[in-house]
This record gives sequence, C-alpha cells and structure tokens, in this order.
Amino acid sequence: GNSVTQMEGPVTLSEEAFLTINCTYTATGYPSLFWYVQYPGEGLQLLLKATKADDKGSNKGFEATYRKETTSFHLEKGSVQVSDSAVYFCALTFNTNAGKSTFGDGTTLTVKP
Amino acid sequence: NAGVTQTPKFRILKIGQSMTLQCAQDMNHNYMYWYRQDPGMGLKLIYYSVGAGITDKGEVPNGYNVSRSTTEDFPLRLELAAPSQTSVYFCASSSQGARTEAFFGQGTRLTVV
Repeated sequence: GNSVTQMEGPVTLSEEAFLTINCTYTATGYPSLFWYVQYPGEGLQLLLKATKADDKGSNKGFEATYRKETTSFHLEKGSVQVSDSAVYFCALTFNTNAGKSTFGDGTTLTVKP
Repeated sequence: NAGVTQTPKFRILKIGQSMTLQCAQDMNHNYMYWYRQDPGMGLKLIYYSVGAGITDKGEVPNGYNVSRSTTEDFPLRLELAAPSQTSVYFCASSSQGARTEAFFGQGTRLTVV
C-alpha cells in the first residue's frame, strides 16, 4: 500500500533559522504530493502542492520539489518566523483513488523569538 | 465563504452512547471524507463519498456509519461509543481529481468516558 514517512519531531528553531522537514513516500505510480499545515485548534489547510515530477510547489516562503528518483518531497524555508509554529503534514493522492489522501504522522515545528 | 463546517466543536460522550457529527460544505464538491486524528499521528480515513448516495469504507470504519443524501452534507454516526473512539474528527471535501487539494473543517474533539 501507499505510505508517507516524515522526519520525526518535534522541531524547535530560532527565528530566522533555515527549516527542512523531510518527507519520503512509497507508492506504485506517480501521485500528487501535498504539504498541509495545521495551526493550533484548527483544521488542516493546504500549504503547497506538486502534481508531477520535478515540479516545485511554493507558498509563503516555503518550497518543496517533487523528486521522483528519491521519492521525496522535502519542505524548506529559508528564514522561519514565530508565526510558522504549527504541525506540518506531508500527503499523497492518486487520481484513480477517489481523491483519498495518505498522510504522514505530522511534524510539530516551534519557532522561538 | 464558509467552506467546510463541522458541528459540534467539542463533545463528551459516555460509553455506549451514540451521536452524529455533522459536516456541510458549500463548494459543490463531489468528494467528501471523514478522518480521525489521534495524538502524534497522521490522519486515518474512516469513510468517504464520491457523490450523493455513494459511500465507501476507509482504513478504520468499524464503529462508524455515514450517509450522503445531498452533495452538501456528510454526517458521521457513532453507535455505541467506546473509549477507543476518543479522537479529533475532521471532515474534508475536494473537487474531482487528485491534483486538487482537500479542504478541511475545524474538527470535532470527542472524548468518550
């Protein structure tokens, strides 16, 4: 079956530090890949996505590149802010699968001033 | 611009009680989903629907039931609540196709005592 593995957290960084959250997947075929963010007490919301190999998704200073050869979709940000503190989920979806998503376990990020 | 609306936000049930979690979306999405999120874990799919009148089981359907009489509404029914059903429940919807993201409600925090 499909699976998504994220780097274990929690991750604690100082403001303006560089962020990487690793995500690798196991799947047969070429899924669409997503990063969702969950702020405290809220539901998940889309952060960025990539739908084919070598695509780069970007939003709010975050980036991730769909690497087919390494089955990875690592999330990066050059300079984090306190407001980036949240839980980040990597997910994959197949077109033939009724849009059902497979999620990683989430990585909690805390950014300190 | 409501998106996906879930009610209630919080609920405490006694073992053996039943309840219905409500979910409504106003984006005319065909696909709807129910997930549960346990502490430190990713989301597990309970049930999903690809359109009115069509529902199917996800990874963890035992103890739950759903119905989809309209495009907008997708209630989740818990029969005979058990402590193992203590979790945060998220409803989500998406338009057809894996390249589009899911839109999530704010969640229902359920405790079974």
